[in-house]
Amino acid sequence: DIQMTQSPSSLSASVGDRVTITCRASQNIGYYLNWYQHKPGTAPRLLIFASSSLQSGVPSRFSGSGSGTDFTLTISSLQPEDFATYYCQQSYNTLYTFGQGTKLEIK
Amino acid sequence: DVQLLESGGGLVHPGGSLRLSCAASGFTFSNYDMDWVRQAPGKGLEWVSAISGRGGRTYYADSVKGRFTISRDNSKTTLYLQMNSLRAEDTAVYHCVTVRGGDTRDFDYWGQGTLVTVSS
Repeated sequence: DIQMTQSPSSLSASVGDRVTITCRASQNIGYYLNWYQHKPGTAPRLLIFASSSLQSGVPSRFSGSGSGTDFTLTISSLQPEDFATYYCQQSYNTLYTFGQGTKLEIK
Repeated sequence: DVQLLESGGGLVHPGGSLRLSCAASGFTFSNYDMDWVRQAPGKGLEWVSAISGRGGRTYYADSVKGRFTISRDNSKTTLYLQMNSLRAEDTAVYHCVTVRGGDTRDFDYWGQGTLVTVSS
C-alpha cells in the first residue's frame, strides 16, 4: 500500500496568516494527490484535485502544488472558516490512502 | 444538485451484521464509480471499499476484506455496504462518496455519513 505522511499533525495560526501543509507519498504517485477539508459533524469537502486543480466553489486562497512524492497545500490568508482538519489522499491506485490529517487551530 | 444520503447505521454487537445504504440523486448514478470512506472516533479518514459504475469491479481495504461487501442497484440509484463479522474497530461514521470520472479519481461529493457503533 502507498503510505501518505502529512506534516505537521497540528498547527496553530492566526487569521490572515499564510499556512502550508505538506504531504509525502511512500512512492511516486505522479500528480494523483487530492486535498480535503473536514469540520466536525459535516461531510468532508474536496478542495484540490490532481495536485493543483481547484475544485469548483473553493476560494482561490487555497492552492496546491507538487508531483511525484512531495506535495503542499497552501492557504494564502487564513479566514475564520478555514479552521478545520485537512487531509491529503492519493488516487494513484484504487487502494486509496489518506494522510493522518493536519488539525489547523486558532492561535 | 448532487445528493448522497446514507442510512442503516446503528448499534450492533461484535460479530453482528449491518447493511448500509446510500441513496443518490442529482447525477447519472450508473456513470460513476462509488466508494465508502469511514472515520473512527478521534481518528482520520480511512478508505473502505470501491465499486465501478456497472458494479463489475470491487475493491476493499485489507481491514475489511472478507467481511464487507459493496454492491449497487443502478435502477434504484442506491449504493450498499454489507458488513458482517463486525468488530469494535469498525465503529465509525461511514460516508459514501462519488469518484470523479476520468483520470484524477478524486472524491468530489460526500454524504453526511451514518454512524455505526459496534459494542456489547
